[in-house]
Amino acid sequence: GQQVMQIPQYQHVQEGEDFTTYCNSSTTLSNIQWYKQRPGGHPVFLIQLVKSGEVKKQKRLTFQFGEAKKNSSLHITATQTTDVGTYFCAGPGQGNMLTFGGGTRLMVKP
Amino acid sequence: DAGVTQSPTHLIKTRGQHVTLRCSPISGHKSVSWYQQVLGQGPQFIFQYYEKEERGRGNFPDRFSARQFPNYSSELNVNALLLGDSALYLCASSLVGDRGYEQYFGPGTRLTVT
Repeated sequence: GQQVMQIPQYQHVQEGEDFTTYCNSSTTLSNIQWYKQRPGGHPVFLIQLVKSGEVKKQKRLTFQFGEAKKNSSLHITATQTTDVGTYFCAGPGQGNMLTFGGGTRLMVKP
Repeated sequence: DAGVTQSPTHLIKTRGQHVTLRCSPISGHKSVSWYQQVLGQGPQFIFQYYEKEERGRGNFPDRFSARQFPNYSSELNVNALLLGDSALYLCASSLVGDRGYEQYFGPGTRLTVT
C-alpha cells in the first residue's frame, strides 16, 4: 500500500535558525496537505498543494510540491519558540484514505 | 462557530471491554473521518463517512466499526479491547467527501486500555 515517509524524525534548532522537513510518497499524489500538531494538541491544517512544482508561502513558512508530485518539503525561516510542534504531511490514498507521514518533531531552544 | 467536538476526552477501559467514542462535526460539514494516533506516530486512518455512508476504511480489524447519524455526528465503536488499542482517537470533519479537502480535527479522545 501507499507509504508516506518524513525525515528527519526529530530536529533541535536554536531560535532564529532555519528548519526543513522532507516528505516522500511511494506513489504519485494528486495533492499533499501539511498539518501542525502542538504538544498535547491535535493536528491543525496548514496548507494544501495541488500542482506539480507548486510553491506556497505563509509568512516564514515555505511549502513546495515536487515536480513528480511524489515529494514535498516545508521550510521555516528564522524559527521561533511558537514553531514548536510536530509537522505532518498527508496524501490521499485508496478509498478516501488520507495517509499521514510519521511527522517531524521540531524543538526550538530559546 | 464551534469546532469539532469529541467525547469523552479521556477514557480508561480494561481488556475485552467495549468502547464508544462520539464526534460532532463543524456545522455544515457532512464528512467525518476517524483516525488512531499512537504516541510518537502520525494519525492512522480508520474510517470515513459522508452523507451517512461509509466511503473509506483503513487497515483495522472488524472490532472497529462506526456510523454517521442524520445530523452528521458520528460514533466509533471498538469491541474486545486490546492493550494495543491504547491511543488518541481523532475525529476530523470536512466540507465534502473528497479527500483533497482540508480536515478539521477535534481535540481527540485519549483511550487507555489496562
